Amino acid sequence: DVQMTQSPSSLSASVGDRVNISCRASQTIDNYLNWYQQKSGKAPKLLIYAASSLQSGVPSRFSGSGSGTDFTLTIDSLQPEDFATYYCQQSYTSLWTFGQGTKVEV
Amino acid sequence: QVQLIESGGGVVQPGRSLRLSCAASGFTFSSHEMHWVRQAPGKGLEWVAVISYDGSQTDFTDSVKGRFSVSRDNSKNTLYLQMSSLRVEDTALYFCVREKTLMPTLDGWGQGTLVIVS
Repeated sequence: DVQMTQSPSSLSASVGDRVNISCRASQTIDNYLNWYQQKSGKAPKLLIYAASSLQSGVPSRFSGSGSGTDFTLTIDSLQPEDFATYYCQQSYTSLWTFGQGTKVEV
Repeated sequence: QVQLIESGGGVVQPGRSLRLSCAASGFTFSSHEMHWVRQAPGKGLEWVAVISYDGSQTDFTDSVKGRFSVSRDNSKNTLYLQMSSLRVEDTALYFCVREKTLMPTLDGWGQGTLVIVS
């Protein structure tokens, strides 16, 4: 199985900050990398697919980059509603896997 | 809009079976591959299973292979997860999830149904 490792596991930030979350795959996954946001008690929500494509309706302050094994989710100018847990997920192999999550806290 | 409503969760003893259902609406169910993703209490997301749009192909994460099966009834717009030989570690919130057309990503999520194995 492809292992997905996110860093950091948690971070503290303030409104207006730029936040970067890293995700590393244990083998190359081309650009088959998706990012999700999950708020407490809610279902996850798709933010970014194919490493850098913004899902419809998602604010443009969210962006994704990377290819191969190393990927980054960037949130420009963090907003109050962005405090949540973020997960990367690979869909390169038939058995999909998620990273362990990164909690963005105030 | 996409609506996915899971049901069938509950408390079950180890070794027993349970079947989850997911009623889909707001989109053409038969055109999408469908997935199950679970989340143990206080833990991260774990992909569990996928079924092709016509039900002809399925795949599972290693920890549930041979114990879980997934099926669908496109005439009823319903997805199922049959869970057998349940273990304590299967305790989780189980989400029914839609795969985006022509793109391997998960773009529609239900609210989940809780399974407690105890």
